[in-house]
Amino acid sequence: AQRVTQPEKLLSVFKGAPVELKCNYSYSGSPELFWYVQYSRQRLQLLLRHISRESIKGFTADLNKGETSFHLKKPFAQEEDSAMYYCAPLLGSSASKIIFGSGTRLSIRP
Amino acid sequence: EAGVAQSPRYKIIEKRQSVAFWCNPISGHATLYWYQQILGQGPKLLIQFQNNGVVDDSQLPKDRFSAERLKGVDSTLKIQPAKLEDSAVYLCASSLAPPPGQGAQTGELFFGEGSRLTVL
Repeated sequence: AQRVTQPEKLLSVFKGAPVELKCNYSYSGSPELFWYVQYSRQRLQLLLRHISRESIKGFTADLNKGETSFHLKKPFAQEEDSAMYYCAPLLGSSASKIIFGSGTRLSIRP
Repeated sequence: EAGVAQSPRYKIIEKRQSVAFWCNPISGHATLYWYQQILGQGPKLLIQFQNNGVVDDSQLPKDRFSAERLKGVDSTLKIQPAKLEDSAVYLCASSLAPPPGQGAQTGELFFGEGSRLTVL
């Protein structure tokens, strides 16, 4: 079955510390992967996509096909990074469906 | 650019009653999605439209849920009759069609603020 797993419901780190939000997927093909973010009282929005190999707000995510993982990382956390983060692979028989993980709440302590 | 609009923002009903949610996507977005987000869980895809045709409704409980997208623009999601476990936030999202030859999806969804349903 196609599945995405975010093992941590809550991750709390101090400001300035490194952050790693874990995401693992099970899929026989090569999915495109995305990270979505929801800040307090805002809409769910796209943070970054692996195919772009971009860094957004200091976050990067590397696709590891061997480990089927797509962890989100940032070297130095900032207080404004506090939010819910969802890993979202593009799956389906024709890569037409986005499914979301259960999410990780990131809390940055001052 | 106006974002995805949803209404109502909040709705409280008793079990076995019916409810309808409305969504107006971003102008020009061919694909429209309805997701159900139960407290503490990630969004779960209920139905996906491409223009006014259904692409995926495999997780839509068709005995009580229905959705339509007439004229390929606005969409409504209806629940009849509602159950306690339908309490959730119903999210509507839309996306552009990708350029020809670049897959079936861009992966960039634009979400509305959601409609929070409480079933008593």
